[in-house]
Amino acid sequence: GQQVMQIPQYQHVQEGEDFTTYCNSSTTLSNIQWYKQRPGGHPVFLIQLVKSGEVKKQKRLTFQFGEAKKNSSLHITATQTTDVGTYFCAGRSTGNQFYFGTGTSLTVIP
Amino acid sequence: ETGVTQTPRHLVMGMTNKKSLKCEQHLGHNAMYWYKQSAKKPLELMFVYNFKEQTENNSVPSRFSPECPNSSHLFLHLHTLQPEDSALYLCASSQDRGQSSPLHFGNGTRLTVT
Repeated sequence: GQQVMQIPQYQHVQEGEDFTTYCNSSTTLSNIQWYKQRPGGHPVFLIQLVKSGEVKKQKRLTFQFGEAKKNSSLHITATQTTDVGTYFCAGRSTGNQFYFGTGTSLTVIP
Repeated sequence: ETGVTQTPRHLVMGMTNKKSLKCEQHLGHNAMYWYKQSAKKPLELMFVYNFKEQTENNSVPSRFSPECPNSSHLFLHLHTLQPEDSALYLCASSQDRGQSSPLHFGNGTRLTVT
């Protein structure tokens, strides 16, 4: 069945280092969304990507949707302690089913 | 502050108890969802309501019973739960079930079944 996998599962970085999480789907997606969940909090919507090869930026965050619309990445430049949390991708299939990835938990060491 | 409010924030219940989780959204959305979040697992979609009608039930055991009296309120009735049902239960809403509607989550109810 449909699966959306994320790697890595955990990432520890020194403050100021960059961070990337990757999201891979077994099937083609119509769009992909990214969410951030702070420790003890709830997922908060960050962005949606729709077009093949699309790249969007939010300050230090860069989101990319693959050409085949089966993978996506989130890159954070020069991490800060406020970036701590779990980042989830969520892919919507062409059948309008919505699948969350397994998440990447980011720890930033001051 | 989230536009989706969930109560209670924490709940401890025995396996023979009956309890209900409540969710209310103040965003004027038409779709509401229940998700289960367990450690080391992806968010699991349980139920979807669109314009008060249940549109999805992802093979959820009958000990979980949803209720959606209107587009703003969603309940999850619990009875004879198992310890493995302990998890964070998240309610979410979206404008509709369309392909470009992001989800707005509540703070969740942390459920412990003893």
